[in-house]
Amino acid sequence: QKEVEQNSGPLSVPEGAIASLNCTYSDRGSQSFFWYRQYSGKSPELIMSIYSNGDKEDGRFTAQLNKASQYVSLLIRDSQPSDSATYLCAVNPNSGGSNYKLTFGKGTLLTVNP
Amino acid sequence: KAGVTQTPRYLIKTRGQQVTLSCSPISGHRSVSWYQQTPGQGLQFLFEYFSETQRNKGNFPGRFSGRQFSNSRSEMNVSTLELGDSALYLCASSSMTSTDTQYFGPGTRLTVL
Repeated sequence: QKEVEQNSGPLSVPEGAIASLNCTYSDRGSQSFFWYRQYSGKSPELIMSIYSNGDKEDGRFTAQLNKASQYVSLLIRDSQPSDSATYLCAVNPNSGGSNYKLTFGKGTLLTVNP
Repeated sequence: KAGVTQTPRYLIKTRGQQVTLSCSPISGHRSVSWYQQTPGQGLQFLFEYFSETQRNKGNFPGRFSGRQFSNSRSEMNVSTLELGDSALYLCASSSMTSTDTQYFGPGTRLTVL
C-alpha cells in the first residue's frame, strides 16, 4: 500500500510567523510531488509542485524535497489569516504508464491567528 | 481559460438508487481523473481516463464506473448507492506535458439517505 503521511494538526501559528508543513511518502520510486490548499467546503487548489531534490520558492511559499529521506515539506513565510486552510500533500507514484494518479495525505489543518 | 466544471454541484439520493456525475475538463486537457473525498478516508483516487480509455483504477468496488467521451468530457456512475458513498466527488483534468499537474473542479456533494 503506497502511503502519504501528514500530521493532521491542527497547526496553529501567529500572523507573520513561518508555518512548516511536513509529509512523508512510502513509494521510493515517486517522481512528482504537489501541495494543494483546500478551504473548508471548497475543492483543492494547487500551490506548488516539485520534482527535484532541494528547494523551490514561489512567493511566500517554499517547497522542499528530499527523495533519500522520502520527505516533502512546505514552508509558508509571513503567514496570513487567509492562509488558514487544510494543506494536502500529493504524490504521483511511479505507476509506469500514466502520470495522473495522485496519492494524497489526509491533510494538515493550519490556523493562522491574527 | 475556463476551469474544470462539474454538474450537478449537489445531489441527494436514497440507498439503492444510482447516480451519474458529469465533468468537463479544461479546454485542451485530455486526461480526466476522479476522486472521492470523505472526512475519514481523505481524498482517494477512483479512476483516470485518457482518450476515452480508462488507464488507471483505484481500489473501489465495481459499483463505481466511468467513461469519457470524444470531447474529453467524463461521467462517473455509482450504482446501488450505499450510505458510505456520501462524499465529495472531485474531478481533475491534466494536459499532456511531461511535468504535469491536476486541476480540480468544484466537486459534486453527494448525500445518500
